[in-house]
Amino acid sequence: DQQVKQNSPSLSVQEGRISILNCDYTNSMFDYFLWYKKYPAEGPTFLISISSIKDKNEDGRFTVFLNKSAKHLSLHIVPSQPGDSAVYFCAASAIRNYGGSQGNLIFGKGTKLSVKP
Amino acid sequence: EAGVAQSPRYKIIEKRQSVAFWCNPISGHATLYWYQQILGQGPKLLIQFQNNGVVDDSQLPKDRFSAERLKGVDSTLKIQPAKLEDSAVYLCASSLITLNTEAFFGQGTRLTVV
Repeated sequence: DQQVKQNSPSLSVQEGRISILNCDYTNSMFDYFLWYKKYPAEGPTFLISISSIKDKNEDGRFTVFLNKSAKHLSLHIVPSQPGDSAVYFCAASAIRNYGGSQGNLIFGKGTKLSVKP
Repeated sequence: EAGVAQSPRYKIIEKRQSVAFWCNPISGHATLYWYQQILGQGPKLLIQFQNNGVVDDSQLPKDRFSAERLKGVDSTLKIQPAKLEDSAVYLCASSLITLNTEAFFGQGTRLTVV
């Protein structure tokens, strides 16, 4: 039972254009969401996060949007750069104590982004 | 600031053998996690420590996996005996607080069981 879903395994975008990566979740107890970026042979690197009390968080070229009613979040990268080419993981956490560890990150399967020059 | 250190980077063993991974978290980080990432999947939590106590090990296959966190700093993850399906990248991460809002990951150990 996948609680965090990234339905697009890959995405290809031209340099300078917008990249939009999508993520859906099923567990309404999730109240904190994160995006991680992963290069080959490296561990995931934290990119940006959003709390469920917000619907948008922006950091430079990266913006995360949260639609709680649809249980959907997206990561926008504008403008996209070749160095953004990596696998992007969406992760969710229930900061409230639920059924297990407070703060256990549940990851999606990832979306491989390729930004072409 | 030094990041999360893991060793070894790569390990190849035969099934039924044992293996151990080591992790040194970022200095001062009370919370330490071990994740398993199978090829094509996202990382999955195996065990979470707060200082040297276990917070969550519900997804740790305890018949073959064990982990400890020595004096609340370094940690080791052991598999004995290994199975073919244990082939994965084992990621260690640490954070300042339990809320896992920003976990910092090490480079991981790629285990291949043949």
